[in-house]
Amino acid sequence: RKEVEQDPGPFNVPEGATVAFNCTYSNSASQSFFWYRQDCRKEPKLLMSVYSSGNEDGRFTAQLNRASQYISLLIRDSKLSDSATYLCVALNSGGYQKVTFGTGTKLQVIP
Amino acid sequence: DADVTQTPRNRITKTGKRIMLECSQTKGHDRMYWYRQDPGLGLRLIYYSFDVKDINKGEISDGYSVSRQAQAKFSLSLESAIPNQTALYFCATSGQGKAFFGQGTRLTVV
Repeated sequence: RKEVEQDPGPFNVPEGATVAFNCTYSNSASQSFFWYRQDCRKEPKLLMSVYSSGNEDGRFTAQLNRASQYISLLIRDSKLSDSATYLCVALNSGGYQKVTFGTGTKLQVIP
Repeated sequence: DADVTQTPRNRITKTGKRIMLECSQTKGHDRMYWYRQDPGLGLRLIYYSFDVKDINKGEISDGYSVSRQAQAKFSLSLESAIPNQTALYFCATSGQGKAFFGQGTRLTVV
């Protein structure tokens, strides 16, 4: 079983829709979480960190549920430019903080 | 200038050839990683290094080797390339939990 799992999608949604992605992690030692965005044939780039209390950045909201070991990303009012693959990332605690990526969820926003 | 630089950006090589992919970073981070990405499989970790004297295998290290020449440099070698190593390769560095990626190397083995 992968340490970080995501539904690969694709999620095809119309412009203006709200879409949510979930990600589960199996390592209970994971302490920090992030969402990355990857455009086609480009490198992944940090979208936002995920805080225990949940956090919002414009149209994007990230949530963490430690009890169930999942994180989520909600995108409101989807734009065509949101089309990309969204990668969930977990950071393990301890002296050696290893970054573990999910395989990504592909989002296609349709006009 | 990019924080993480990979060379070459694109490479076509023949089966059986040795090839080295190079990576350098200016973030000053200790941790560096090599991933490969294939359609439908996402990012898979090949090797990672937490400092100059530390090398660790990832989930798909067979057929690959790495060298951490300095804090800023982490190279990936394919000793004898095979066609199923055709993929997009990313180098990354991380600090305070955040990862920064190079622009990728598209490798084709024919």
